[in-house]
Amino acid sequence: GQQLNQSPQSMFIQEGEDVSMNCTSSSIFNTWLWYKQEPGEGPVLLIALYKAGELTSNGRLTAQFGITRKDSFLNISASIPSDVGIYFCAGRGTGANNLFFGTGTRLTVIP
Amino acid sequence: SQTIHQWPATLVQPVGSPLSLECTVEGTSNPNLYWYRQAAGRGLQLLFYSVGIGQISSEVPQNLSASRPQDRQFILSSKKLLLSDSGFYLCAWSVGFTGELFFGEGSRLTVL
Repeated sequence: GQQLNQSPQSMFIQEGEDVSMNCTSSSIFNTWLWYKQEPGEGPVLLIALYKAGELTSNGRLTAQFGITRKDSFLNISASIPSDVGIYFCAGRGTGANNLFFGTGTRLTVIP
Repeated sequence: SQTIHQWPATLVQPVGSPLSLECTVEGTSNPNLYWYRQAAGRGLQLLFYSVGIGQISSEVPQNLSASRPQDRQFILSSKKLLLSDSGFYLCAWSVGFTGELFFGEGSRLTVL
């Protein structure tokens, strides 16, 4: 299946810093989603985006659906230790079960 | 509210032994159900999905199989495990194909 290119692969940041990660695809998507997975658990949906150009926030998290519909980014402001985990983007195209996940960004926050 | 539960949480099995992982969803009717596998440090690979009782779609040819005997029950099985079957198995549900998935806690399988 299609893979989304997610970058960076990993990040080590100091507590309090802002974080930015992005996801790109060669195909256009109708929906972009961001999930977070903590160690030993299943991913949890953070933000879902449904329209090109849409900018949505969830607390300290902000995500945008790129105008070209081929990319999305996620920002985390003022990081805290509990932000640690793997962040996955996902894009949904048309048709049944046309959902593709990115390769993940592993975030480490240093207190 | 909706909940999803899968078990067992951890499993260590010898090569060639059978496998059965179970997943149940509560608080919703006729959900889409999914099995994903995640190798260590890697992304999510869709194995099977189901839109209804007895309806299974396979995404990757392998020695695993899935069944949906009841509306909110999804089972992942194997008759003979391979070393390469080791990984973290995740069950998930959704309403339709919105992309909004709700994952279970995961089952970590180690095949020795």
